[in-house]
Amino acid sequence: GAGVSQSPSNKVTEKGKDVELRCDPISGHTALYWYRQRLGQGLEFLIYFQGNSAPDKSGLPSDRFSAERTGESVSTLTIQRTQQEDSAVYLCASSLDFWGAPPADTQYFGPGTRLTVL
Amino acid sequence: AQKVTQAQTEISVVEKEDVTLDCVYETRDTTYYLFWYKQPPSGELVFLIRRNSFDEQNEISGRYSWNFQKSTSSFNFTITASQVVDSAVYFCALSEEVGGEGGGATNKLIFGTGTLLAVQP
Repeated sequence: GAGVSQSPSNKVTEKGKDVELRCDPISGHTALYWYRQRLGQGLEFLIYFQGNSAPDKSGLPSDRFSAERTGESVSTLTIQRTQQEDSAVYLCASSLDFWGAPPADTQYFGPGTRLTVL
Repeated sequence: AQKVTQAQTEISVVEKEDVTLDCVYETRDTTYYLFWYKQPPSGELVFLIRRNSFDEQNEISGRYSWNFQKSTSSFNFTITASQVVDSAVYFCALSEEVGGEGGGATNKLIFGTGTLLAVQP
C-alpha cells in the first residue's frame, strides 16, 4: 500500500515568513510523529499525535512551532516567523499504536520536506 | 536520560568486506525497543529491524545480522559481504514508553547521530 507522504518536498522561504508542512500517514495508522533532521545530524523528536490529540509536544523548540492533525489523517506542522536555524529536513512518521496500549509499533517515515530559510 | 551513541561517524570499506556498525544506548527503563534505520542518498528512512528488551536472541536477515548485548547496552549491526548499494547513513534508535498528557503513552524515538557507510567498488 501507499507509504507516508509529505509535501512539499522542498521549500525555500525568506526569514520571517510562515510555512506549513503537510504529512499524510499510512492509512489506518493512529499514531503520527514529526521529527527534524539538521544537516549531518540525527533526528530530533518534535511532536506525537494519537488520533488528533497531541499527548507529547515536548520536542517543539519554541512557540513558533505548532502542529495539528485532522482525525487520524493529515497533519500540518506550522512554523511561524521562520529563522535561519529552522533550516532542516522535517520528517513525518506513522505507526499503528493504539491509545492506551503499550507503544511498540514500528514507525514508518515519509521522504521529508527540506526547508531552507534564507 | 535516554541516549544513543554511534561512535563511528564514517566508515569506508571495499565491496565484499564485512562491516560492523556500533550502537550503544542508555536507558533506565526495563522495557524498551531498539531499531535500526537506513537512510540512502535519496533521504527516506528505511526500517531495518526492531528488537525488544526481553529478546536477546541475535537475528540474521540475509547479509544483515544484529547482535544485542544487554550486559553492555549495545545493539551492533553487521553487514556481511558489503555491496555498493549498502552505502547510506545508518541510524540506531531507542524507544521508551513515556507517559504523555492525559494518560496516554508515547514511544518517541531517540536517534543516534548516524554512521555514514561508504562501500567502494
